[in-house]
Amino acid sequence: GESVGLHLPTLSVQEGDNSIINCAYSNSASDYFIWYKQESGKGPQFIIDIRSNMDKRQGQRVTVLLNKTVKHLSLQIAATQPGDSAVYFCAERRQGGSEKLVFGKGTKLTVNP
Amino acid sequence: EAQVTQNPRYLITVTGKKLTVTCSQNMNHEYMSWYRQDPGLGLRQIYYSMNVEVTDKGDVPEGYKVSRKEKRNFPLILESPSPNQTSLYFCASSQLLGTDTQYFGPGTRLTVL
Repeated sequence: GESVGLHLPTLSVQEGDNSIINCAYSNSASDYFIWYKQESGKGPQFIIDIRSNMDKRQGQRVTVLLNKTVKHLSLQIAATQPGDSAVYFCAERRQGGSEKLVFGKGTKLTVNP
Repeated sequence: EAQVTQNPRYLITVTGKKLTVTCSQNMNHEYMSWYRQDPGLGLRQIYYSMNVEVTDKGDVPEGYKVSRKEKRNFPLILESPSPNQTSLYFCASSQLLGTDTQYFGPGTRLTVL
């Protein structure tokens, strides 16, 4: 079935390294993608988004890459810090008459000092 | 401060006892939504509202009701809660889903015995 998923459920990196979190989607009609960060005990927090007419978008220490050919989305975090430790979700907006987001299951990022 | 608030934050109840989880946003957002988050399943949309008096089903609406009488409030109603509705619930809002940040509330931990 169609779903938004993640390749790895957990990712562990050293402080200062770059992190890459991946997401696969299967609905080619999706036109908008979002990355969220969820810290323990809190609600998801918007990080960065990208539209399907773009391949790359940069924010502060974060970059999102979109490869529509293989339906793949990635979040790159530069110089990962302990405060980046959280669960990261990708989400897609599916077209087809209703406005809703479908979330991936999440990747837990752990940053080791 | 721009925020989404939910009440209560924690609730333990028994099967069949009607309950309401309130959600309020102070950003004058048109779009509001309810999600449930379960281990291994991620965030799943229950209901959403594009504007006052306009609501629609998400992916898992069974057993839930919502109303949108005012722009700022979007309560979630469980008429007859069951144990399978034990979950972590999040309310979210955004000005316009496709073009703006979706802000999440802090979550409501519900346990149905």
